Amino acid sequence: DIQMTQSPVMLSASVGDSVTISCQASQNIDKYLAWYQQKPGKAPKFLIFKASGLVDGVPSRFSGSGSGTEFTLTISDVQPDDFATYYCQQHLSYPLTFGQGTKVEVK
Amino acid sequence: EVQLVQSGTEMKKPGESLTLSCKASGYIFTTRWIVWVRQMPGRGPEWMGAIYPDDSDTRYSPSFQGQVTFSVDKSINTAYLHWSSLKTSDSAMYFCAKYKRVGHPDAFDIWGQGSTVIVSS
Repeated sequence: DIQMTQSPVMLSASVGDSVTISCQASQNIDKYLAWYQQKPGKAPKFLIFKASGLVDGVPSRFSGSGSGTEFTLTISDVQPDDFATYYCQQHLSYPLTFGQGTKVEVK
Repeated sequence: EVQLVQSGTEMKKPGESLTLSCKASGYIFTTRWIVWVRQMPGRGPEWMGAIYPDDSDTRYSPSFQGQVTFSVDKSINTAYLHWSSLKTSDSAMYFCAKYKRVGHPDAFDIWGQGSTVIVSS
């Protein structure tokens, strides 16, 4: 199985900050990486596909980058609606696997 | 609008059986794999497996193989997740979702709202 490791587990930010979340794959996954946002009691929301593709309707302050084993999700100009938990997920091969999550909280 | 609507909260006893449903609308049901995802309290999502509605081809995560069964009813655009004998450790939120593109595997672009399962004696 491909292991996905996110860092940090939690980060504190203020509105207007820029934050970066890292995701490392245990083996080369090319660009087969997605990012999701989840709020308590809700389903995850699809943000980024193929490492850097922004899903329609997702604000442009979200961006993804990387390939191979190292990936990042950046939120520039954090807004109140962005405080949530973020997960990366590889979709190269079965079984599909998620990172453990990064919680972005209010500083 | 593309939607996946799941069945509601279930409270069951250990050893009982359970089937959750996931009804699709707004797209051609038979063209996209449906996945099931478990999320235990305070934990990240776990991919349980996937089913292709057109021919019921399935892929199970090794962690869930033999523990659950996926099925579909194409006539009503609905996918199902079934347990024959629940354990207390099956208590969790369960989501269905669909792959973004034709083919597999892929990212999950549309999610159901989730079904809560509580198993307790």
